[in-house]
Amino acid sequence: QSALTQPPSVSGSPGQSVTISCTGTSSDVGNYNRVSWYQQPPGTAPKLMIYEVSNRPSGVPDRFSGSKSGNTASLTISGLQAEDEADYYCSLYTGSSTWVFGGGTRLTVL
Amino acid sequence: QLQLQESGPGLVKPSETLSLTCTVSGGSIRSSNYYWGWIRQPPGKGLEWIGSIHYSGSTYYNPSLKSRVTISVDTSKNQFSLRLSSVTAADTAVYYCARRGDGYNWYYWGQGTLVTVSS
Repeated sequence: QSALTQPPSVSGSPGQSVTISCTGTSSDVGNYNRVSWYQQPPGTAPKLMIYEVSNRPSGVPDRFSGSKSGNTASLTISGLQAEDEADYYCSLYTGSSTWVFGGGTRLTVL
Repeated sequence: QLQLQESGPGLVKPSETLSLTCTVSGGSIRSSNYYWGWIRQPPGKGLEWIGSIHYSGSTYYNPSLKSRVTISVDTSKNQFSLRLSSVTAADTAVYYCARRGDGYNWYYWGQGTLVTVSS
């Protein structure tokens, strides 16, 4: 199982934008548009925020957006709000029908 | 609205087998072509995919856990289950059951259940 690399932490002030990166290799992230992003406030189950790189499920604010460049996928949160403070995980569905998660990024709203 | 609920012992002894069940309500486990799965999270750490199952019985497992994991489905009870053998303290985690959404993602999640491995 290949690993997806995320920064351990990011921070931003209310109203600002932050971007969380998820880096893989040309064999996984670079080769498939099967990256999803999950938000996990403390003590709760993860919630799907973005799937297939840039698609938002119904009910997810359009402040959340996803993109990919080469071997790196990114989650951008614009107009940061206090309620966005949480851990964020990227995930990839691989060509072997398996799943791998990134190590997670803690977002702090200053 | 689909709901998933994990159940099982909260404490398992080292070397024994961890067994959990996920009960699905608000929908049939046989509906459409979705996969169901188990994902775990050790305290203070990140998420780890354990494995997935289709109601037909088709399974996929994390290669790092494959030798110890069995996931099965009981369509008559609308449940699917996880068995993890020869557990150690490293298997202490919150275990989530989940269902894929449309596309490549995990859309529905249970609330999670903490399993502690300790004598």
